Amino acid sequence: QSALTQPRSVSGSPGQSVTISCTGTSSDVGGYNYVSWYQQHPGKAPKIKIYDVSKRPSGVPDRFSGSKSGSTASLTISGLQAEDEADYYCCSYAGSYTYVFGTGTKVTVL
Amino acid sequence: EVQLVESGGGLVQPGGSLRLSCAASGFTFSSYGMIWVRQAPVKGLEWVSYISSSGSTIYYADSVKGRFTISRDNAKDSLYLQMNSLRDEDTSVYYCATVTGYSSTWWGQGTLVIVSS
Repeated sequence: QSALTQPRSVSGSPGQSVTISCTGTSSDVGGYNYVSWYQQHPGKAPKIKIYDVSKRPSGVPDRFSGSKSGSTASLTISGLQAEDEADYYCCSYAGSYTYVFGTGTKVTVL
Repeated sequence: EVQLVESGGGLVQPGGSLRLSCAASGFTFSSYGMIWVRQAPVKGLEWVSYISSSGSTIYYADSVKGRFTISRDNAKDSLYLQMNSLRDEDTSVYYCATVTGYSSTWWGQGTLVIVSS
């Protein structure tokens, strides 16, 4: 149950796009199409942004998109806005009702 | 409005026990699997445990297996986490969250557990 690997930080100017990678193994990311992404502002609970690799829950703007290739999933935030500045975590199903989170990425809006 | 409210956190000595509760409202609690997720200070999220909607299926992370017990009372719309033999490294904010499919839509605000002598 090792954490999925994410870059420590990414940054972009308002209006730009940023992409966060999430690398796992064939036992988690590569083995299932059940990757979700969560946004967490300081001192707050996580909020879901993407589920099942690329699906957006109701209310999440289409600026957020997800994809996967092999054992690496990605979250892209297009048209970056100030309120997007937060920590982002990927999470993958790893079989037998177990889950593994990523190491987390801090997104900075310049 | 969906609400998940955790309680029961606090300061406990190493080797001690604590029972966390998560009170649910605004949705049909008995229809959802639930998980506990924790976050150590200035650290990332860590999945702790899963329980199915009926309570018949339970799984734990290796880091807490044999020490923590997850349970639920659907009649009381409540989720629990009994934590025994607590260690310094269990110090975290503990969140409860619903499971829809293979992701978590609704989260509580968290309760802080500090294990220290």
